[in-house]
Amino acid sequence: QKEVEQNSGPLSVPEGAIASLNCTYSDRGSQSFFWYRQYSGKSPELIMFIYSNGDKEDGRFTAQLNKASQYVSLLIRDSQPSDSATYLCAVNRGNKLVFGAGTILRVKS
Amino acid sequence: SQTIHQWPATLVQPVGSPLSLECTVEGTSNPNLYWYRQAAGRGLQLLFYSVGIGQISSEVPQNLSASRPQDRQFILSSKKLLLSDSGFYLCAWTETGDINEQFFGPGTRLTVL
Repeated sequence: QKEVEQNSGPLSVPEGAIASLNCTYSDRGSQSFFWYRQYSGKSPELIMFIYSNGDKEDGRFTAQLNKASQYVSLLIRDSQPSDSATYLCAVNRGNKLVFGAGTILRVKS
Repeated sequence: SQTIHQWPATLVQPVGSPLSLECTVEGTSNPNLYWYRQAAGRGLQLLFYSVGIGQISSEVPQNLSASRPQDRQFILSSKKLLLSDSGFYLCAWTETGDINEQFFGPGTRLTVL
């Protein structure tokens, strides 16, 4: 079992819809969880992080964390074609982050 | 504000040649520094990380090495490149603390021929 698992996709959603990206992790000791967006050929950029159970909202993005079930998700409301990218989930392990392989999101106009 | 630089942006090298990639961070002190490699269509592989000058932790044994000669400088090296060393090399930094948000540099795309 990989430490951080994501569905590779691609996940296709129409413009204006809600995109839901999911991530599961295996280490129950993980405290912090991160979502990154990576456009093709570019470096990852941090979207948001979460460390408490529940929801955290930032603009069109909402991160959801459920430590009991060991999953974290990212919701993107009003999806735009510019949101088309690979979304990476990461989980802390001490001084390091462990990344999932990423989910490709395609937003169709 | 903090910024992170990497150079060169792209590099084409023959098999067996040496490698030196540089990463510098501005606007922060005593950051944790990280080197990742991303092969085409693949996830991020952590290669090395450093919590201070001269302190290097290696994650994956291979023909690469890293050094941190100054607080905000991180160097990735190889004496002899292999074809399998091709990829997108990313440097990242984080402030020491509990949350551990990492911020990435623009990356170096290395092609070994």
